[in-house]
Amino acid sequence: KNEVEQSPQNLTAQEGEFITINCSYSVGISALHWLQQHPGGGIVSLFMLSSGKKKHGRLIATINIQEKHSSLHITASHPRDSAVYICAVRRGGGGGADGLTFGKGTHLIIQP
Amino acid sequence: KAGVTQTPRYLIKTRGQQVTLSCSPISGHRSVSWYQQTPGQGLQFLFEYFSETQRNKGNFPGRFSGRQFSNSRSEMNVSTLELGDSALYLCASSLAFFPRDSYTGELFFGEGSRLTVL
Repeated sequence: KNEVEQSPQNLTAQEGEFITINCSYSVGISALHWLQQHPGGGIVSLFMLSSGKKKHGRLIATINIQEKHSSLHITASHPRDSAVYICAVRRGGGGGADGLTFGKGTHLIIQP
Repeated sequence: KAGVTQTPRYLIKTRGQQVTLSCSPISGHRSVSWYQQTPGQGLQFLFEYFSETQRNKGNFPGRFSGRQFSNSRSEMNVSTLELGDSALYLCASSLAFFPRDSYTGELFFGEGSRLTVL
């Protein structure tokens, strides 16, 4: 079993829908990252979380440390949100103790 | 300010050769990390450097090595290339190795170096 599991693996939705992508992990972590990768390879960091909730524009990320679970929400989805969304965790309780461990990614397609 | 720069962007090598990839972090960033991305394995952590010292290493064979220079630029080297080393190699930089918050810990990725081994 992978240390970081994402669901769903693939998601197709209509423009305007509310999107939720989930990430569960099995180890103690110091931080969790949500990343976005568009076709062609470039990766953009969306959020880095260690507790609670963060919001940036139409994107919201939450984390529940006790349940070892994080969610990424997209409100009012748009075709330009189509990308692969990747969850990554940094193990350890003391900051940058270990390198990142990645989920397999969620392929999101937003249709007009 | 300029982003993370990786060179070369594309390269083709044959089995048994070696390759060196370069990463220039954002100015002021002292932490550089390297990742391999393949369709089968996804993203995997290779190494992490801070202040010219390797702080972490992923589960890769000794053929994979790296270093960081005093100006924070980093290189990684793969010797005795195998077909399975074909991948996109990404580097990322951040302000700190022990991030206190998302400002110091946010990762900025380069566009990657796409290696094909024939």
